[in-house]
Amino acid sequence: GAVVSQHPSRVICKSGTSVKIECRSLDFQATTMFWYRQFPKQSLMLMATSNEGSKATYEQGVEKDKFLINHASLTLSTLTVTSAHPEDSSFYICSAREDPFEYFGPGTRLTVT
Amino acid sequence: TQLLEQSPQFLSIQEGENLTVYCNSSSVFSSLQWYRQEPGEGPVLLVTVVTGGEVKKLKRLTFQFGDARKDSSLHITAAQPGDTGLYLCAGASGAGSYQLTFGKGTKLSVIP
Repeated sequence: GAVVSQHPSRVICKSGTSVKIECRSLDFQATTMFWYRQFPKQSLMLMATSNEGSKATYEQGVEKDKFLINHASLTLSTLTVTSAHPEDSSFYICSAREDPFEYFGPGTRLTVT
Repeated sequence: TQLLEQSPQFLSIQEGENLTVYCNSSSVFSSLQWYRQEPGEGPVLLVTVVTGGEVKKLKRLTFQFGDARKDSSLHITAAQPGDTGLYLCAGASGAGSYQLTFGKGTKLSVIP
C-alpha cells in the first residue's frame, strides 16, 4: 500500500511557541490530505481537509488561525500549531487520499509544557 | 452529522476465541473502512467494503457490509495476541465528499 510519513514523530515545546508538523505522501501524489487529532483512548477527530493549491477547510470548532495548514505540493502538507498551549497536547495524525483509499501517517505526539 | 456507533468499546478475550465487532449507523455510507491502530502509531487500513452485502476475508478476519450500507461487522476467528489493538471503522459518505467519519473504536486485548 501507499506510504505516508510524518515528521517529527514526537515534539515537546514550551507554551506560547509554534510547532510545525509535516505530512508527506512518499510514493503517490495526493491532492487531498486530512489532519486529525486523537486524544488518549479516543477516536480520531477530523480537524481539517487540506487541498493542494487552495485553502484548507476546517471542521467546526477548529480555529484556523491557530492551526495553520499549508498544502504547497502534491506530496506535502504542513500543520503549524501556533502559540501552543498545554491543552493542544495530543496525537496529531495526517492522512493522504489515493482514490479510493485513505492512508494514514504514523502520527506526531505533541506535548506542550 | 453522520455518526458511527462501534461496539463493544472494550473486549478482552483468551487466545483462540472468536469475536465480532459491530459498527452501526442510521446513515448510508458509500464505503466503509476498517483500520487497526497500535499505541503511538497511525491507523493501518485493513479493508474497504463498498457494495451492500459484501463480505471480504483477510486470513482470520471476515468483514461484512450490511445490505443497506448502514452497518458493518468484523469477525475474528481464533484470535491471537498479535490481534491486540484498537479497531476503528470509518465511513465515507460519497457524493464528492472525501471525509471519513470514524467510530469510537474497539479496544481488543487477546490474552495468551
